Amino acid sequence: AQTVTQSQPEMSVQEAETVTLSCTYDTSESNYYLFWYKQPPSRQMILVIRQEAYKQQNATENRFSVNFQKAAKSFSLKISDSQLGDTAMYFCAFMIRYTGNQFYFGTGTSLTVIP
Amino acid sequence: NAGVTQTPKFQVLKTGQSMTLQCAQDMNHEYMSWYRQDPGMGLRLIHYSVGAGITDQGEVPNGYNVSRSTTEDFPLRLLSAAPSQTSVYFCASSQSDRGEKLFFGSGTQLSVL
Repeated sequence: AQTVTQSQPEMSVQEAETVTLSCTYDTSESNYYLFWYKQPPSRQMILVIRQEAYKQQNATENRFSVNFQKAAKSFSLKISDSQLGDTAMYFCAFMIRYTGNQFYFGTGTSLTVIP
Repeated sequence: NAGVTQTPKFQVLKTGQSMTLQCAQDMNHEYMSWYRQDPGMGLRLIHYSVGAGITDQGEVPNGYNVSRSTTEDFPLRLLSAAPSQTSVYFCASSQSDRGEKLFFGSGTQLSVL
C-alpha cells in the first residue's frame, strides 16, 4: 500500500520568515514522482513544486524548495520569505510512474502567514 | 483554453437520489481521474481512466460509476446517494503518467441529506 503522511495539521509563520512543512511517504516502488500542491480558500489546486525520485538534486521554484531524502522517504517543503498569499492548505502527493497516473495525497497542512 | 471544467459547482441531494457530476477537458489529455476531498483525509482517488473506453477503480470506488466514451469527457455517477458521499469532488487530467502535473477542475461541493 502507498501512504503519505503529513504530521503537521496546522502551522503558522510570520510574514517574510521561513517555514518548513514535513511529509513522509511509504512505497516499495522505485520509480515515482513527488509533488506539493497548494489549495487556497478558493479551493483551486495549484502545483507548487515537483521532484523526480531518480534525481538526487532537490527541486526549487523561486521561494519554494524541497529537501528530498529518498532513503528516509522524506519530502519536506521549505517556503522562504513567506507572503500573505502563501496562506493555504498544502498537500504532499506522489505517483508511481506508468500506473495510470494514480496520485496519493497526504492529509494536508494548513499554513497561515501572519502579517 | 478552459482547461478542466466541472459542473455543477454545488449540489444538494436527498439520500437515494442519483446524479452525474460532469467533467470535461479541452487539452486532449489521455489521463483523467476523480478524487474526493474530505476534512482530515486529503484527496482520495475514486476512479481513473487512461484513455477513451478504459477505466479502473481507485482507492474508494464503492457507490460510484464512471465511463469514458470520449477523450474529452469523464462523468462520475452516483447511483443512490448516501450521506457518506457528502464531500468535495475534483476531476483532474494530465498529459501522461510519467510525472506530469495534474490539471484540476474547480471542484463540486456535494451534500447528501
